[in-house]
Amino acid sequence: QVQLQQSGAELAKPGSSVKISCKASGYTFTSYYISWIKQTTGQGLEYIGYINTGSGGTNYNEKFKGKATLTVDKSSSTAFMQLSSLTPDDSAVYYCASGYGLFDYWGQGVMVTVSS
Amino acid sequence: DIQMTQSPASLSASLEEIVTITCQASQDIGNWLAWYQQKPGKSPQLLIYGATSLADGVPSRFSGSRSGTQYSLKISRLQVEDPGIYYCLQGYSAPWTFGGGTKLELK
Repeated sequence: QVQLQQSGAELAKPGSSVKISCKASGYTFTSYYISWIKQTTGQGLEYIGYINTGSGGTNYNEKFKGKATLTVDKSSSTAFMQLSSLTPDDSAVYYCASGYGLFDYWGQGVMVTVSS
Repeated sequence: DIQMTQSPASLSASLEEIVTITCQASQDIGNWLAWYQQKPGKSPQLLIYGATSLADGVPSRFSGSRSGTQYSLKISRLQVEDPGIYYCLQGYSAPWTFGGGTKLELK
């Protein structure tokens, strides 16, 4: 069955970066794009961007341009999202999900906490 | 960006009751509308896609409908496992946008 396994929780200092991973299994990795979604109590669910797992092409929500960088490693069926220049506003749960515009399967989420 | 206005923000209902949640799109999105259920500590689960199609494994008491730019999720007979937060998602135009969520509780 389709599974998206994300890396563990992150505690980061303001101004630093984190890179979280999303390892896919149970299907051909390049069959689905991978999207990333941010969830906070205040802002709800926000689409960050997606990556074409075959070509590496990306699409970003304007709000997250310069904040998030999406990459893939096809050899390990893993998608990555790097978040840079972290501020407390980046504290959230980050999900990867299969597809774009419609998210069929979701990872379990990664909690990122930004604190000095 | 397309705005999705979801209502109500919270809802309390009894077992076997009919529950309806709505999302209003700020512009035409056709049938590019999905509904998700999220339980505490878990990731969202797809319930409905294409405004009216039931996702695999989802009980038939869940249904979706559309009237113009207003979309509804109906739970025909509320069950004990149905409480959670429900979200709509428009997949018509990037950036894809979610409704603000409806917290459903058992009375």
